[in-house]
Amino acid sequence: DAGVIQSPRHEVTEMGQEVTLRCKPISGHDYLFWYRQTMMRGLELLIYFNNNVPIDDSGMPEDRFSAKMPNASFSTLKIQPSEPRDSAVYFCASSFRGVQFFGPGTRLTVL
Amino acid sequence: AQSVTQLGSHVSVSEGALVLLRCNYSSSVPPYLFWYVQYPNQGLQLLLKYTSAATLVKGINGFEAEFKKSETSFHLTKPSAHMSDAAEYFCAVSDRNTDKLIFGTGTRLQVFP
Repeated sequence: DAGVIQSPRHEVTEMGQEVTLRCKPISGHDYLFWYRQTMMRGLELLIYFNNNVPIDDSGMPEDRFSAKMPNASFSTLKIQPSEPRDSAVYFCASSFRGVQFFGPGTRLTVL
Repeated sequence: AQSVTQLGSHVSVSEGALVLLRCNYSSSVPPYLFWYVQYPNQGLQLLLKYTSAATLVKGINGFEAEFKKSETSFHLTKPSAHMSDAAEYFCAVSDRNTDKLIFGTGTRLQVFP
C-alpha cells in the first residue's frame, strides 16, 4: 500500500481565497483524522471520521473550516475564506485497530 | 479524561549516549500507549505501541519503552544514540474505545557528535 496520500504537498494562497486539502486513506482503515501543526500550538486534532461519518469536530477552529468524507477512500478539508493565521502543516491520518498512520502533510501558507 | 505529559521539550545527548524521553499519562481505564517520531518535513511515524501485552515494548530503530502502571509512565529509551535519531518524539494515549489519540506536546531530541 502507498500509505496515506495527501495533496497538494504545498499550497500558497492569498487571504480570502478558498483552500481545499485532499486525503486518500489507507485501504481498509475505518478511521480518518485531520490534524493541524504549528510551532505555537503544536499538533491539534481538528476532526475525525469513523466509517465516513464525522464523530467529533470540536477541534475545528471556526465555521470557515469544513471537512467531508464522501466515501471510504477520500476526504477533504476546506477553508473558506482563508486567513494568514491558518498557515500551518495539515496532516491526515487513517487508522485500523488503534494505530494511526500519518500522511506527509500539506504545508499551507496564506499570504 | 485522558492526558499525556512529556517532561522536557528539548533533550540533547551525545552520539553513543543513552536516550531517555519521559512520558507520563493519565487515564481512568487501562490505556493503549504509543510513541511516534517526526523527522523534519515529514508526518508522524509509529515507533512502538503498548496494548497490554508485555510491559516492555520494543520498537523500530532500537527504541524501547516500558509501561509502569504504578508510576503511570511510559518512558522511551535507546541505549546508544545515533545522529539519525535527531527528530521530534510524541507520546500518545488512547482509551481503546476509539482510535482517537491524545498526544503530548512533543520532545525534540538533538544528537551531538
